[in-house]
Amino acid sequence: ETGVTQSPTHLIKTRGQQVTLRCSSQSGHNTVSWYQQALGQGPQFIFQYYREEENGRGNFPPRFSGLQFPNYSSELNVNALELDDSALYLCASSGTSGAKNIQYFGAGTRLSVL
Amino acid sequence: QKEVEQDPGPLSVPEGAIVSLNCTYSNSAFQYFMWYRQYSRKGPELLMYTYSSGNKEDGRFTAQVDKSSKYISLFIRDSQPSDSATYLCAMSNGGANNLFFGTGTRLTVIP
Repeated sequence: ETGVTQSPTHLIKTRGQQVTLRCSSQSGHNTVSWYQQALGQGPQFIFQYYREEENGRGNFPPRFSGLQFPNYSSELNVNALELDDSALYLCASSGTSGAKNIQYFGAGTRLSVL
Repeated sequence: QKEVEQDPGPLSVPEGAIVSLNCTYSNSAFQYFMWYRQYSRKGPELLMYTYSSGNKEDGRFTAQVDKSSKYISLFIRDSQPSDSATYLCAMSNGGANNLFFGTGTRLTVIP
């Protein structure tokens, strides 16, 4: 167990709806990254949060947004859901400096968009 | 061209075999190299990480990095049925904030 917890574990939404996914980072970690993993693919970077600020973003549209809270937990929000948003959403936490490259993942939230 | 290439397999081996998993990459700035194991419908579990070139051993697992060839490997000795999973390589340039992943290799160890 990594200590990174995500909720909910599974979610079903319809196209056009909005969704919020949550993540609690491992104790002592102040950086949270979000990834999208489509079936049969490796995870793709969405964005990273450090000290409550976005600290890097991948090739995802603005309808993917996030927050980090003072306790380092984080949310991923997706607006105007599309069918292609169906995927496993992974949260990873990491420490500072070089250690921020060593990321520990939660079990993920499986989102199905119908 | 993808930044990280990994043969998706699937790969089936008998119990006790030595397994070799590999990735190639194109970005010479990558410095951190990781291997994750992912069981079906679970999150990736960090197995090993290496900074820069060289070898690292942990029990039955050995990770190798050859930066001159832009090639990394994971060897699993005395493979067990419990090793059956998808193995993901990942890497980072140390300055950027994200990991670049391969597509994963699905491994089945047959008892």
